[in-house]
Amino acid sequence: GEDVEQSLFLSVREGDSSVINCTYTDSSSTYLYWYKQEPGAGLQLLTYIFSNMDMKQDQRLTVLLNKKDKHLSLRIADTQTGDSAIYFCAESIRNDYKLSFGAGTTVTVRA
Amino acid sequence: NAGVTQTPKFQVLKTGQSMTLQCAQDMNHNSMYWYRQDPGMGLRLIYYSASEGTTDKGEVPNGYNVSRLNKREFSLRLESAAPSQTSVYFCASNGSNQPQHFGDGTRLSIL
Repeated sequence: GEDVEQSLFLSVREGDSSVINCTYTDSSSTYLYWYKQEPGAGLQLLTYIFSNMDMKQDQRLTVLLNKKDKHLSLRIADTQTGDSAIYFCAESIRNDYKLSFGAGTTVTVRA
Repeated sequence: NAGVTQTPKFQVLKTGQSMTLQCAQDMNHNSMYWYRQDPGMGLRLIYYSASEGTTDKGEVPNGYNVSRLNKREFSLRLESAAPSQTSVYFCASNGSNQPQHFGDGTRLSIL
């Protein structure tokens, strides 16, 4: 959606860290999400963060939120070939409300 | 544990034909959603239903109708299909203060 922007492509070497960036415009966004879509599949929720948090870590995933700049990032440590997918950033004003999505970042992991 | 189930998975229609996309969830969720996914545009909300008996338009409702048949089922109908409706359609659902869970999608081609 036009309110959420992401870069379209990212290429990363296996074993390196990946950083996917997202910006949003709606200051009332309260929840921010990262979804992963593998080829031919649906969307899998990776993680989400509430706007009063700066950081959330879950195993290899780290989400950073800069609320002042309306900037969200997803860092994947030790990127593996299985991490090749499209990653969507999304925002909502409530955790049980409709989502606005970015266009998705296609991550390609090369050997 | 089926989650969100969409049928059919694939469909080819001719311009002007009608069809209904089915979605069912077994998680006792109140809210259900229909999105379409087009290349480079992320997911856009077509319609949603915050609870049984209610439906609301999303970002791109034109050319579609929905029915929240009961708490489990939320269908999307194309009355007169157009080539511009060629897309991948995703259904999602969530409960109170929970993130959305997605089905695997219906890939629809209109010739």
